[in-house]
Amino acid sequence: GENVEQHPSTLSVQEGDSAVIKCTYSDSASNYFPWYKQELGKRPQLIIDIRSNVGEKKDQRIAVTLNKTAKHFSLHITETQPEDSAVYFCAAVNDYKLSFGAGTTVTVRA
Amino acid sequence: GAVVSQHPSWVICKSGTSVKIECRSLDFQATTMFWYRQFPKQSLMLMATSNEGSKATYEQGVEKDKFLINHASLTLSTLTVTSAHPEDSSFYICSAPPGQGAPGNQPQHFGDGTRLSIL
Repeated sequence: GENVEQHPSTLSVQEGDSAVIKCTYSDSASNYFPWYKQELGKRPQLIIDIRSNVGEKKDQRIAVTLNKTAKHFSLHITETQPEDSAVYFCAAVNDYKLSFGAGTTVTVRA
Repeated sequence: GAVVSQHPSWVICKSGTSVKIECRSLDFQATTMFWYRQFPKQSLMLMATSNEGSKATYEQGVEKDKFLINHASLTLSTLTVTSAHPEDSSFYICSAPPGQGAPGNQPQHFGDGTRLSIL
């Protein structure tokens, strides 16, 4: 099955700085890579996604890159704000099945 | 937009009780639903895939006799945790692809989750 590794597990950044989270996947059949933000006790919220035919996608302060050859993808958050503090999960999807990374707890220091 | 309604949101019950969790697709048909379990400070782990009109597919290590899944209609899937024990305490959440025939590379719709606490 699919194995998704996510790093780092925790990330502390100064407000205004950038945050980068990296993930790798194992199954070359995975073709969709969503990123989720989850607050305690709540459902994951999709913040950005990328499909396997695209190398990069940006939405305001958030960007995602995908390297299919190397099987890794990354989330970049620029100009971080306190409300960006949360747990972030990457996922790889094959035939609807989501395999999640272990999560990254991001803390933005004011 | 499409919504998945999950109930109950919180359950506290005694050890040995069976607990049923429902996920309902409100404005689309969900022939498939996925059930996840999330322990505190951990990731979401896929437990099983619920298929309308047929048996669920369980992930390795998930006891099918303990976690009963029923998907009797195109809009409702249920997960029953039978004879629950404290170690079953967790956050259970469902998700569904956005509709019949939707491509696999589309965002899924998540329920709000059920926090299960077994005393």
